[in-house]
Amino acid sequence: NAGVTQTPKFQVLKTGQSMTLQCAQDMNHEYMSWYRQDPGMGLRLIHYSVGAGITDQGEVPNGYNVSRSTTEDFPLRLLSAAPSQTSVYFCASRADFQETQYFGPGTRLLVL
Amino acid sequence: DAKTTQPTSMDCAEGRAANLPCNHSTISGNEYVYWYRQIHSQGPQYIIHGLKNNETNEMASLIITEDRKSSTLILPHATLRDTAVYYCIVRVEGSNYKLTFGKGTLLTVNP
Repeated sequence: NAGVTQTPKFQVLKTGQSMTLQCAQDMNHEYMSWYRQDPGMGLRLIHYSVGAGITDQGEVPNGYNVSRSTTEDFPLRLLSAAPSQTSVYFCASRADFQETQYFGPGTRLLVL
Repeated sequence: DAKTTQPTSMDCAEGRAANLPCNHSTISGNEYVYWYRQIHSQGPQYIIHGLKNNETNEMASLIITEDRKSSTLILPHATLRDTAVYYCIVRVEGSNYKLTFGKGTLLTVNP
């Protein structure tokens, strides 16, 4: 198993550009989540999904869209990047019957 | 969700036990205590969780006080690789796919 994978590892955007952060897991997990982590801070929840076709907002959803068309993939879309979205983004997944949540390696995003 | 309070930083000598405290005085009866850690620049890693009984796994032990208002994560023989930020989080069981992380405790294990 590759676990939770995220691409790209690093990205530089200009203000106003859009992009999609990819997240995939090969563990057939029902639950997937996106977090952002700003320097010196803990993680904050952006969006989450409890299964294919079901998503919901977290603590800081503004400026981000998600969809869950398959169990494996949970992409995060930045509609119009802003410098305030400069952060490290982590994707996580968890099986319905487990308490262990697995995190990906993160995507470092810099918005100029 | 119950709020947690952790020290900002702690030091521990390699090979000794590391005891990381967490206060959660407003915890509800159905809320569990979860511990995660984040080694520099990596994604967080689940360590352990518990409701009221002490728990132990291959990574650590979790001691929860009888009134459940505080807990301690114990790493029995800390190594340099245990240097990380440790997060104590209180959640209803089954909802840890939407966690709220505070700033945690930076544990530095010294040689």
